Amino acid sequence: SQQGEEDPQALSIQEGENATMNCSYKTSINNLQWYRQNSGRGLVHLILIRSNEREKHSGRLRVTLDTSKKSSSLLITASRAADTASYFCATDSRGSQGNLIFGKGTKLSVKP
Amino acid sequence: DAGITQSPRHKVTETGTPVTLRCHQTENHRYMYWYRQDPGHGLRLIHYSYGVKDTDKGEVSDGYSVSRSKTEDFLLTLESATSSQTSVYFCAIQGDFNGYTFGSGTRLTVV
Repeated sequence: SQQGEEDPQALSIQEGENATMNCSYKTSINNLQWYRQNSGRGLVHLILIRSNEREKHSGRLRVTLDTSKKSSSLLITASRAADTASYFCATDSRGSQGNLIFGKGTKLSVKP
Repeated sequence: DAGITQSPRHKVTETGTPVTLRCHQTENHRYMYWYRQDPGHGLRLIHYSYGVKDTDKGEVSDGYSVSRSKTEDFLLTLESATSSQTSVYFCAIQGDFNGYTFGSGTRLTVV
């Protein structure tokens, strides 16, 4: 069963705009991770946020985590056409032996 | 990506035939995973391994078996392929940072 559920399923924006994707999950977690997948390729790890962290930055990426609401958001600032990809959240739940459970993803399209 | 390779990249096979997919890592990591990716389902865990000869089932393990006789190789076998096993299969290793590094995937078509 899916642990993380991303919202929206698809997002289309213009270059230079910010893109926000949300992830909700069901059980207590050790950490939550975001991945990017370009068409026809494997997933690439973007950022990991631990359950005791509330916000994390990496370049143009900003991730927030609200454990009380069991939700996370990924913000990509000043988006570029090269950011066009699918984005997945994945949760490392307590008791899962470190196995990640992935959501279904948000498909982001950035138009030049 | 560097450190993890999957083979073959593409395969077409007939219903009822056995198929083995290979995942090879050069990173000496203990944990390895097999996922399948299907439209509308995202990635689902098939099997995982936490060491040589130590494997366990994931969410969608029916019809699949795995073996890990060496740290660097994790094999996924479809005992008797069915059309429902047409999918893209990804292998992953767990890095030191707790995130996963994925292979490039194997696109399997069962006809």
